[in-house]
Amino acid sequence: GAVVSQHPSRVICKSGTSVKIECRSLDFQATTMFWYRQFPKQSLMLMATSNEGSKATYEQGVEKDKFLINHASLTLSTLTVTSAHPEDSSFYICSARVLTRITDTQYFGPGTRLTVL
Amino acid sequence: GENVEQHPSTLSVQEGDSAVIKCTYSDSASNYFPWYKQELGKRPQLIIDIRSNVGEKKDQRIAVTLNKTAKHFSLHITETQPEDSAVYFCAASNGAGKSTFGDGTTLTVKP
Repeated sequence: GAVVSQHPSRVICKSGTSVKIECRSLDFQATTMFWYRQFPKQSLMLMATSNEGSKATYEQGVEKDKFLINHASLTLSTLTVTSAHPEDSSFYICSARVLTRITDTQYFGPGTRLTVL
Repeated sequence: GENVEQHPSTLSVQEGDSAVIKCTYSDSASNYFPWYKQELGKRPQLIIDIRSNVGEKKDQRIAVTLNKTAKHFSLHITETQPEDSAVYFCAASNGAGKSTFGDGTTLTVKP
């Protein structure tokens, strides 16, 4: 299957700093990538849809100025958590969409554990 | 928007027994229903999916059924094994690829 990587896998930062997370599709091109946030023992909460070459579409309640998304190429989307605070600590997972005639599948990255002190 | 409900939230079965997880969705425009398995600390992995023009799909010990009229779909795992223990998520997707996930079911298979 398609492989999606995420970097870094873990990051610890001080409150007020910004953190960038990269999501890469390694062996395919992805015009659409998704960013999720997952709290312990909870489901995946969609934050935004990242489209190559255009602005991201954010879900209701997600601050676009706080969670900056850039999808500059067909294999890379980045999520920047700006001015991070402890409440931003979470597990962030990206996925890349693979669309064929018969399937519409998301392949997930391994996730990034963000801890804001 | 779409709303997906998943039951049960936890499920414990004896090895060799079957496990069934059920989901309902609200948006009749949803046309693709994947199931993901997530082991602790790992990424969700697609295990089976079904499109809205199909009623049932099977892959070895795993099967999924879809009832479009009632807007519900189910995951069936037969002959469960301890390595099936994980959190399972259902999802409903529209034509734009955006998926709404259920809250997950923690399956424990006791040896």
